[in-house]
Amino acid sequence: SQTIHQWPATLVQPVGSPLSLECTVEGTSNPNLYWYRQAAGRGLQLLFYSVGIGQISSEVPQNLSASRPQDRQFILSSKKLLLSDSGFYLCAWDPRLGETQYFGPGTRLLVL
Amino acid sequence: DAKTTQPNSMESNEEEPVHLPCNHSTISGTDYIHWYRQLPSQGPEYVIHGLTSNVNNRMASLAIAEDRKSSTLILHRATLRDAAVYYCILGGATNKLIFGTGTLLAVQP
Repeated sequence: SQTIHQWPATLVQPVGSPLSLECTVEGTSNPNLYWYRQAAGRGLQLLFYSVGIGQISSEVPQNLSASRPQDRQFILSSKKLLLSDSGFYLCAWDPRLGETQYFGPGTRLLVL
Repeated sequence: DAKTTQPNSMESNEEEPVHLPCNHSTISGTDYIHWYRQLPSQGPEYVIHGLTSNVNNRMASLAIAEDRKSSTLILHRATLRDAAVYYCILGGATNKLIFGTGTLLAVQP
């Protein structure tokens, strides 16, 4: 069966510090991968998605970036965090666009 | 991308049925109707999806209008563990799933 992992589970970072969140999927190959952010009390905002190694599509302009160095690894990064980057970050995968997405446990990020 | 409209919040009593509505008047012929729910401090989880016919699974039922411009997620007997945000989303063969703000369901004991 497929599983999706995210780490860390929680993170407190100062403004201006770098960020690296990792997501890995097991039990499937060539998944589509997604990064979402959820601000407190809000819906999910799609940040990036990837249909293959090295292929990244950005949905919203921001100071975050994403990379996919391996088939089942998706990384969310920032060089300098802003207060507004605080939120709940979720990674997800699906076998094909438009099909059921499966979400990871999320990373709660607090930027102070 | 086709959009959906859901009430911001609903309330239900425990062990009673819950009908969560969703309007999607601009749905295309190839869009599936997906429902997810998000429990507090967790990622969303899949509930059910359908295209034209009503669907049932162990979690819920999905009733789709004949013109497909609306649908209803039915929880047959709400429990306290069903308190969550429920998202109704359209997804087609080439469309990414777009999550809105969903419906916050409160279940009273």
